[in-house]
Amino acid sequence: DIQMTQSPSSLSASVGDRVTITCQASQDINNFLSWYQQKPGKAPKLLIYDASNLETGVPSRFSGSGSGTDFTFTISSLQPEDVATYYCQQYDNLPLFGPGTKVDIK
Amino acid sequence: EVQLVQSGAEVKKPGESLKISCKGSGYSFTSYWIGWVRQMPGKGLEWMGIIYPGDSETRYSPSFQGQVTISADKSISTAYLQWSSLKASDTAMYFCATSSSIAVRDWGQGTLVTVSS
Repeated sequence: DIQMTQSPSSLSASVGDRVTITCQASQDINNFLSWYQQKPGKAPKLLIYDASNLETGVPSRFSGSGSGTDFTFTISSLQPEDVATYYCQQYDNLPLFGPGTKVDIK
Repeated sequence: EVQLVQSGAEVKKPGESLKISCKGSGYSFTSYWIGWVRQMPGKGLEWMGIIYPGDSETRYSPSFQGQVTISADKSISTAYLQWSSLKASDTAMYFCATSSSIAVRDWGQGTLVTVSS
């Protein structure tokens, strides 16, 4: 079974900072990776699909890259409304989330 | 517009059974897989399993195999998540979600299940 790791597990950054989260799969998943944002009490929201494609309506400060086993999610300029937990997700036989990264404002 | 509407919050005692639902509309219910995600208090998201309503093929994540039952009634475009004997550790928010691909755009609002004696 494929395992997903994410780092860091949490981070605190200032408004305007560049924020980077990494996600690693235990085996090659091509680019079958999505990134989600979840705010407390809410359902996850799709931000990035197929590793690097920005979902319609999502601000361009969010981006994704990578393929194979190593992926990166970036917020180019952190905004107060970006405080949330971010998850990567792959789909093999079943979808699987990474453990999540909690993003806070310093 | 795809909509998934979940049944309301539940408070149950350990050992009781429970079936929660997720009704889909605005799309072809039998053409997309639909799945369930658990989120325990203060914890991350866990896929429990998925079902293809067209043929009822069901796949469970190893952690949930034998612990829950996922089903669907395509005549009323509704998916279900069922427990035969709840435990306190089943206390969580449960989300349903649907997609035709890897990227999951459409989510239910969540059903909070509380199991307490």
